[in-house]
Amino acid sequence: DSGVTQTPKHLITATGQRVTLRCSPRSGDLSVYWYQQSLDQGLQFLIQYYNGEERAKGNILERFSAQQFPDLHSELNLSSLELGDSALYFCASGRGSGLSTDTQYFGPGTRLTVL
Amino acid sequence: AQKITQTQPGMFVQEKEAVTLDCTYDTSDPSYGLFWYKQPSSGEMIFLIYQGSYDQQNATEGRYSLNFQKARKSANLVISASQLGDSAMYFCAMREGRDSGAGSYQLTFGKGTKLSVIP
Repeated sequence: DSGVTQTPKHLITATGQRVTLRCSPRSGDLSVYWYQQSLDQGLQFLIQYYNGEERAKGNILERFSAQQFPDLHSELNLSSLELGDSALYFCASGRGSGLSTDTQYFGPGTRLTVL
Repeated sequence: AQKITQTQPGMFVQEKEAVTLDCTYDTSDPSYGLFWYKQPSSGEMIFLIYQGSYDQQNATEGRYSLNFQKARKSANLVISASQLGDSAMYFCAMREGRDSGAGSYQLTFGKGTKLSVIP
């Protein structure tokens, strides 16, 4: 158990809908990262938050957005869903301390299926 | 150009034997970190081992060791005494750069190697 929690574990929805994925980082971690894993694109970085503020953006679509709340949990919002958005979405957390040993620990993931 | 290359889509190893999973990387940043993660069929990503670019010695964690050859830009994972539970996808990942206060530590992943342990 990495200490990172993600809900829900599975999500099945229809095209055009909107969903919210939730992540709680490990105790003491200030950084939250979101990754998408799909068969064709592999594992891709989407976005990072550090202590409530957006730190970096990767290959995140404009239809997707995220935020990190004062209690450090994070939500990833996916809207106007398309079939191609079906993927495993991971949240990872890290200290964000700047130390070379800072490791990202992954949650169990949310498997999104868009029908 | 790919930053992380894993050239072995699939590997087989006999139980109790050692196996090496290859990883090469590309960066011009002098400060970087290299990570290996395991993803069983259940889907979770499990951190295995870390190597920093300035580390003088190869990292080891139990049965896992990292064969770090900086000049060749390779960071191969060695699993000793393979067990059936080692059957999984293995991903090599890299984090570049220092924290300048505005930087990020996102990981760039390779495409993975599927390891199958044969009884």
